[in-house]
Amino acid sequence: EVLLVESGGSLVQPGGSLRLSCAASGFIFRSYNMNWVRQTPGKGLEWIAYISSSGGAIHYADSVKGRFTISRDNPNNSVYLQMNSLRPEDTALYYCVRYYASFDYWGQGTRVTVSS
Amino acid sequence: ETVLTQSPDTLSLAPGERATLSCKASQSVSSSYLAWYQQRPGQAPRLLIYGTSTRATGISDRFSGSGSGIDFTLTITRLEPEDSAVYYCQQFGPSPGMYFFGQGTKLEIK
Repeated sequence: EVLLVESGGSLVQPGGSLRLSCAASGFIFRSYNMNWVRQTPGKGLEWIAYISSSGGAIHYADSVKGRFTISRDNPNNSVYLQMNSLRPEDTALYYCVRYYASFDYWGQGTRVTVSS
Repeated sequence: ETVLTQSPDTLSLAPGERATLSCKASQSVSSSYLAWYQQRPGQAPRLLIYGTSTRATGISDRFSGSGSGIDFTLTITRLEPEDSAVYYCQQFGPSPGMYFFGQGTKLEIK
């Protein structure tokens, strides 16, 4: 069974940093591209970061470029999202998502709240 | 950037009826790169359809997708109470980062 379990979300002040983690199991992790997608009541679903299976290709949405960094650790079946210079508009539920012909498996999400 | 506009915003139907959900793109989308997702309350989105019309693993044949160019449709037949959810369309290619979602259609089964 494919499982993606996110962790690391919390309440953080504007300008602060947070690192999200996603532990994957049930599939050959090193063979799949991975993404982070966030969801807010106001903006709905928003893709924010992509990393290829090897980690050699990375892409970001303009809204997070220069502030967020996606990375992965294939031997440990994990993908990460380092979030710096956080803003109130980054408040959202963050999902770890596998890519195979589409976004085929999603984690349950970890909540990030940016507020003073 | 491709903007996907879904309609209607909310759809209320009775069990056993047929639902037709629309997704219109601001520019042509390859049929290979159009997907639909279902999100039930309190749950993560779940892949229903990819490549415009291919059902994901384990998805009931009551769900079907069609369309081309800028107009795409998700059809759900013989509605059941468990179909109550928000449905999203998505462009997911051809290049990494070209991942855009529609705003969603809320389907209520009364």
